[in-house]
Amino acid sequence: RKEVEQDPGPFNVPEGATVAFNCTYSNSASQSFFWYRQDCRKEPKLLMSVYSSGNEDGRFTAQLNRASQYISLLIRDSKLSDSATYLCVVMAGGTSYGKLTFGQGTILTVHP
Amino acid sequence: SQTIHQWPATLVQPVGSPLSLECTVEGTSNPNLYWYRQAAGRGLQLLFYSVGIGQISSEVPQNLSASRPQDRQFILSSKKLLLSDSGFYLCAWSVSTQGRQYFGPGTRLTVT
Repeated sequence: RKEVEQDPGPFNVPEGATVAFNCTYSNSASQSFFWYRQDCRKEPKLLMSVYSSGNEDGRFTAQLNRASQYISLLIRDSKLSDSATYLCVVMAGGTSYGKLTFGQGTILTVHP
Repeated sequence: SQTIHQWPATLVQPVGSPLSLECTVEGTSNPNLYWYRQAAGRGLQLLFYSVGIGQISSEVPQNLSASRPQDRQFILSSKKLLLSDSGFYLCAWSVSTQGRQYFGPGTRLTVT
């Protein structure tokens, strides 16, 4: 089983749609969680951290369920500029450095 | 504000040739530094991390090495490149071991 698994995608949605991505992680000792966005042939950029209480940043909402080891990202009112690969990222606990483990990514294409 | 630079942006090298990729961070002191590789169709994999000058830890055995000669400089090297070394190499930094990581623009390496 992969350490971080994401929806395989790709997701192809019209502008204005709501889309949700799911992610599961295997290490119950994981302590920090993030969503990164990666545009084609570019570096990943931090989209948002994910907190147990859930958090929202504009049109983006992230949720974490530690009991189920499940993370989600909801994008409302999709824009063309949201087209990218979304990476679910988990930071292991109990290490002396910030080891990030990345999911394979889910490709989102928003069309007119 | 902090910025991270990588060069070169792209590189085409023959098998057996040496490699040197450089990463520098501005606007912060004593950052944690990381080297990742993203192979075609695969997720990001942590290669090396450094918590200080001269302190390098390897995450996976491979044909590469890293050095940190200055506080904000991180270098990835190889004496003889293999075809399997092709990929997108990303440098990242963080303020603390458990903090968010921010990526540089990356170097796209093709070994021929």
